[in-house]
Amino acid sequence: AQKVTQAQTEISVVEKEDVTLDCVYETRDTTYYLFWYKQPPSGELVFLIRRNSFDEQNEISGRYSWNFQKSTSSFNFTITASQVVDSAVYFCALAMNYGGSQGNLIFGKGTKLSVKP
Amino acid sequence: DTGVSQDPRHKITKRGQNVTFRCDPISEHNRLYWYRQTLGQGPEFLTYFQNEAQLEKSRLLSDRFSAERPKGSFSTLEIQRTEQGDSAMYLCASSLGGGGAINIQYFGAGTRLSVL
Repeated sequence: AQKVTQAQTEISVVEKEDVTLDCVYETRDTTYYLFWYKQPPSGELVFLIRRNSFDEQNEISGRYSWNFQKSTSSFNFTITASQVVDSAVYFCALAMNYGGSQGNLIFGKGTKLSVKP
Repeated sequence: DTGVSQDPRHKITKRGQNVTFRCDPISEHNRLYWYRQTLGQGPEFLTYFQNEAQLEKSRLLSDRFSAERPKGSFSTLEIQRTEQGDSAMYLCASSLGGGGAINIQYFGAGTRLSVL
């Protein structure tokens, strides 16, 4: 079965601190995709990154970086120098592409990040 | 730039009533997904369409739920005989399909349903 675990339910940091959000996934498939989405208080899920299972390169986008490690089935997300606007719930998600499962996302329960000024 | 649009944003209904939600995807997107999100949880997949064909339904989608995408553009999700357990945020997402890759799903703001 496929599953995504985000063990951190809530994290609170002070502005300018670095913070890492953990994501561990389970799948027996060799081809899959991993995603991170941000859900601010307004409720709309905002896409942050997509990574396929064949690309283990880490990625950096501004203050955001992602560490994908197949050996530990983890896809962790780090925010450097956090800001109050980063306060949101962050979801990690997994998708496969086979048969009828054409990309429906399997989400973790999310990590609520609070950044205090 | 028009994103995914959902209507209404909020719906309050009494138990036993029928409700219908609408989703307008990004215009060139041929895939459309419905998810349900309860408080403190991640979204859970309900169903998806490729063009007008409904290709997959989750076990979560009981027979009181029906979804349509009649012309391959907008979609509706109807819940008949609502129950208090149906109270949730209903999210719609769209993406480009095909090509062998899993494309990015873009989400609407959701419809929050409260069943009294």
